[in-house]
Amino acid sequence: GAGVSQSPSNKVTEKGKDVELRCDPISGHTALYWYRQRLGQGLEFLIYFQGNSAPDKSGLPSDRFSAERTGESVSTLTIQRTQQEDSAVYLCASSLDPGSYNEQFFGPGTRLTVL
Amino acid sequence: SQQGEEDPQALSIQEGENATMNCSYKTSINNLQWYRQNSGRGLVHLILIRSNEREKHSGRLRVTLDTSKKSSSLLITASRAADTASYFCANTTGANSKLTFGKGITLSVRP
Repeated sequence: GAGVSQSPSNKVTEKGKDVELRCDPISGHTALYWYRQRLGQGLEFLIYFQGNSAPDKSGLPSDRFSAERTGESVSTLTIQRTQQEDSAVYLCASSLDPGSYNEQFFGPGTRLTVL
Repeated sequence: SQQGEEDPQALSIQEGENATMNCSYKTSINNLQWYRQNSGRGLVHLILIRSNEREKHSGRLRVTLDTSKKSSSLLITASRAADTASYFCANTTGANSKLTFGKGITLSVRP
């Protein structure tokens, strides 16, 4: 079946521009997570959705970052006024529900480069 | 911030040898998971071990967990060139199951 998909796969933007990154989770998965991975690093948690609500936004690095989820499906991560330090791979994951023992399925990521 | 630390940071072995990778963490966990990443993109889930388990096997993978030492190890037996990748340990602590990752181990398996 279809896995988690993300678009675009690559995004190059100029400093100060806004970008939108999209995640399509596996159908029926209620939990959705966004992570960021800087070059040579592990993943950093950004935000978690349960359905369309985001009970944990603790990983968002600044108020330039926001995310929403609609229809308990697609999620969009928006970065406003991008900075060079925002350059990273942004990964989305979904799981059947947020239970601790449920595997998270990851998308291929969006590589964001801010010039 | 990341709470896990893996060691070694890089490991190079010959095909057929076993690869052992270690991970430590700082706080109490619900479970610990190992992931594999090829070419810096999507992650593939390898194995999950619960906090009340000590050892788990899956094919050529063996994972141990020592909660008293807050550490885990991943053993890949009879390694293959195709096992070349980055390996990450990650744990969950809260109710929402967000994963906290280490920096990863780069494994190179020479044919």
